[in-house]
Amino acid sequence: DAGITQSPRYKITETGRQVTLMCHQTWSHSYMFWYRQDLGHGLRLIYYSAAADITDKGEVPDGYVVSRSKTENFPLTLESATRSQTSVYFCASSVRGKRIGELFFGEGSRLTVL
Amino acid sequence: AQTVTQSQPEMSVQEAETVTLSCTYDTSESNYYLFWYKQPPSRQMILVIRQEAYKQQNATENRFSVNFQKAAKSFSLKISDSQLGDTAMYFCAFIPNTGNQFYFGTGTSLTVIP
Repeated sequence: DAGITQSPRYKITETGRQVTLMCHQTWSHSYMFWYRQDLGHGLRLIYYSAAADITDKGEVPDGYVVSRSKTENFPLTLESATRSQTSVYFCASSVRGKRIGELFFGEGSRLTVL
Repeated sequence: AQTVTQSQPEMSVQEAETVTLSCTYDTSESNYYLFWYKQPPSRQMILVIRQEAYKQQNATENRFSVNFQKAAKSFSLKISDSQLGDTAMYFCAFIPNTGNQFYFGTGTSLTVIP
């Protein structure tokens, strides 16, 4: 199906474990983003990517790693999960050109770190 | 620095009434884009309306309209004839034309009361 999909939708893990959240989009949008959503903070940018093999830090990158070997995929890895990383994570994509496009969001991944 | 402020954490409105959600932003850029996103309980982020800063005319989308005051850096959302399905978290967002990042406010939780 066309769109942007995230997996898993729900994940429970333990402190210190590595976790990878997957994001796949079918539109060939150049830009992709990872946000975390926490009560009282709204959406905060973790990392973004302007194209394959180009990534950059956002507001809260510590403890996270991203890669983008293909335009359509943008996985987010928590190398050693901490309780403070319990959150809802959203992947999004956007097209850029003469006119900045809107953000298209995935359905979110709820991560709980015990 | 680019910031977006939503000063109303929670609001409520009677069904069929009109409600206005406030948003202010801070930027030194002269050209940028503003958005309102809706997040219902399903958690899916949905674009409600967008405004391009170089356009003086306020954007409208059916029952949704904005009051864009560029000099005051204000971008409020008016919802007319409120419906139960409008119950959601609403986020104001901003992206400068020269930048790559979207900036979000902390959100306003709107409840429509039957």
